[in-house]
Amino acid sequence: DQQVKQNSPSLSVQEGRISILNCDYTNSMFDYFLWYKKYPAEGPTFLISISSIKDKNEDGRFTVFLNKSAKHLSLHIVPSQPGDSAVYFCAAKGDSRGSNYKLTFGKGTLLTVNP
Amino acid sequence: ETGVTQSPTHLIKTRGQQVTLRCSSQSGHNTVSWYQQALGQGPQFIFQYYREEENGRGNFPPRFSGLQFPNYSSELNVNALELDDSALYLCASSPGGPTDTQYFGPGTRLTVL
Repeated sequence: DQQVKQNSPSLSVQEGRISILNCDYTNSMFDYFLWYKKYPAEGPTFLISISSIKDKNEDGRFTVFLNKSAKHLSLHIVPSQPGDSAVYFCAAKGDSRGSNYKLTFGKGTLLTVNP
Repeated sequence: ETGVTQSPTHLIKTRGQQVTLRCSSQSGHNTVSWYQQALGQGPQFIFQYYREEENGRGNFPPRFSGLQFPNYSSELNVNALELDDSALYLCASSPGGPTDTQYFGPGTRLTVL
């Protein structure tokens, strides 16, 4: 069963516009969420994270929003740049001793930013 | 630049063979995790090592095994390779222990024929 779901396999936006990538989760034990970016032939690169005690975290052009009641998070990129074109993975980990060390990933969303 | 390196970059094996993949973490990163990423999927957790001991394991059979060494390097061994083992294998190291942010290497692409 897919505990972290990224329902959009791909997203295309124009340079300068906002990119919104979505992620849903089913496991209510998840309490920490991360976004990774992956270019071809490279490993995932950590972008930004958020704890379940917050509903928003910003880092430059990247903002992550968490709606715990809806079990939904989103990554906003403003403004989008061509160099942001990559696969974006949403990941989660739990709060209990048996799950607070391993990441559960979604399948990823391919973002294409057109010049 | 995460400082996590993996070797080899690509590898081709036949079914039934054994393979060893290697990972070198940054100095001081005492935790290493291994993930398998099949085509079109997100990475799946295989296991984690902390201070040279297995700290946790995902839903993978015992033919997947690992080692972590004092010099911050580690190995993933897979015995009796199956066609479904074809995937990108990623290692990730954490500077602050098992629950800290994980930084990934570039991966090893394994093809099983």
